[in-house]
Amino acid sequence: EAGVAQSPRYKIIEKRQSVAFWCNPISGHATLYWYQQILGQGPKLLIQFQNNGVVDDSQLPKDRFSAERLKGVDSTLKIQPAKLEDSAVYLCASSPAGQGEYEQYFGPGTRLTVT
Amino acid sequence: GDSVTQMEGPVTLSEEAFLTINCTYTATGYPSLFWYVQYPGEGLQLLLKATKADDKGSNKGFEATYRKETTSFHLEKGSVQVSDSAVYFCALSRGSTLGRLYFGRGTQLTVWP
Repeated sequence: EAGVAQSPRYKIIEKRQSVAFWCNPISGHATLYWYQQILGQGPKLLIQFQNNGVVDDSQLPKDRFSAERLKGVDSTLKIQPAKLEDSAVYLCASSPAGQGEYEQYFGPGTRLTVT
Repeated sequence: GDSVTQMEGPVTLSEEAFLTINCTYTATGYPSLFWYVQYPGEGLQLLLKATKADDKGSNKGFEATYRKETTSFHLEKGSVQVSDSAVYFCALSRGSTLGRLYFGRGTQLTVWP
């Protein structure tokens, strides 16, 4: 079974530029999560999708971050314009719907550096 | 709100030493508890989990017991190996929040031969 795919793996941009990250979850997984992991901290949820609908985006800085999951499969997270404090690893995870333990499977992450 | 507190690192041990990484949580209801591991250059992987009080999760020689009375889920291993060097994250989720994970800050473990 293929795991969660993310691209790019690394990205360096200047502040005020825009950037987009892509995630393809495990086939058949209904729930998709985007987490932000700042160096030295644990991952923090940005947004959660159930199929193609948003379940929780309460921690997403909506003035600059946006995300979509068209057709309930892959997803894109965008930052526009980027700030220095957005430097972090952006993790995508997926889980099957209906599992009581809610185990999540993580992709390798995209490391973003904003200069 | 829901939160997880982990012991601060880094932790440095010699091979075959005993490992404990403390984790306590704050949550309403009955969360599920997890330990995730992040090896150098790799993504987060589930190490073990427990879904109800007194459950013991175990994998690869690691164990953790869900203690509701002390709101704890400490990670232990009797004899660590160099290959266990990684960052370990304690996390919780609740069904009412549809599985979103709340993570601790992570504990860096380095094992020397």
